[in-house]
Amino acid sequence: DAKTTQPPSMDCAEGRAANLPCNHSTISGNEYVYWYRQIHSQGPQYIIHGLKNNETNEMASLIITEDRKSSTLILPHATLRDTAVYYCIVRVDVTSGTYKYIFGTGTRLKVLA
Amino acid sequence: NAGVTQTPKFRVLKTGQSMTLLCAQDMNHEYMYWYRQDPGMGLRLIHYSVGEGTTAKGEVPDGYNVSRLKKQNFLLGLESAAPSQTSVYFCASSYGGSGNSPLHFGNGTRLTVT
Repeated sequence: DAKTTQPPSMDCAEGRAANLPCNHSTISGNEYVYWYRQIHSQGPQYIIHGLKNNETNEMASLIITEDRKSSTLILPHATLRDTAVYYCIVRVDVTSGTYKYIFGTGTRLKVLA
Repeated sequence: NAGVTQTPKFRVLKTGQSMTLLCAQDMNHEYMYWYRQDPGMGLRLIHYSVGEGTTAKGEVPDGYNVSRLKKQNFLLGLESAAPSQTSVYFCASSYGGSGNSPLHFGNGTRLTVT
């Protein structure tokens, strides 16, 4: 299974961009990268996902390197409410049409006032 | 539209007791998953299901059983609880098709085994 590696913690000043890196060097060609965040002990919340191209939505941007071995989640203007644990995960193809999601240990992002 | 609902929210068991955790989703999703999260750690996949009547093992399946008799429900059973199973259990569901199929999570069941 593809594994992800993330720094255990990061700080970011409020109003600045938060750039969260993820390494997934063993990812296969058809495996998607997903990002989630978990605030306190709530259920993880979906942020964004991508396969090859960069993606943007109302919450964040996802930059995937050309070789797909790493990606970066960008929160353009971090707020205190963005303080959370951010998980980069890979959707693994088990068989054709069958998938599972493998979580790593995540990055604890602290947004500072 | 309630999304993913987990019951109960909290439970305390004694070693050797059994219990069933219920997960229900109202989004007509094909795929459902059970994860556990221990303090300071990420989520680990216990079992998952790709459709009604099917189940498969995840990363840490030992000590757990699951059933998916109805598409909207996914049950996680502990036949003989052990202190090592003290954890927060999260259920998730997804559409399962290619492309846009993010996981939708419930708010968890906090289980303590004494």
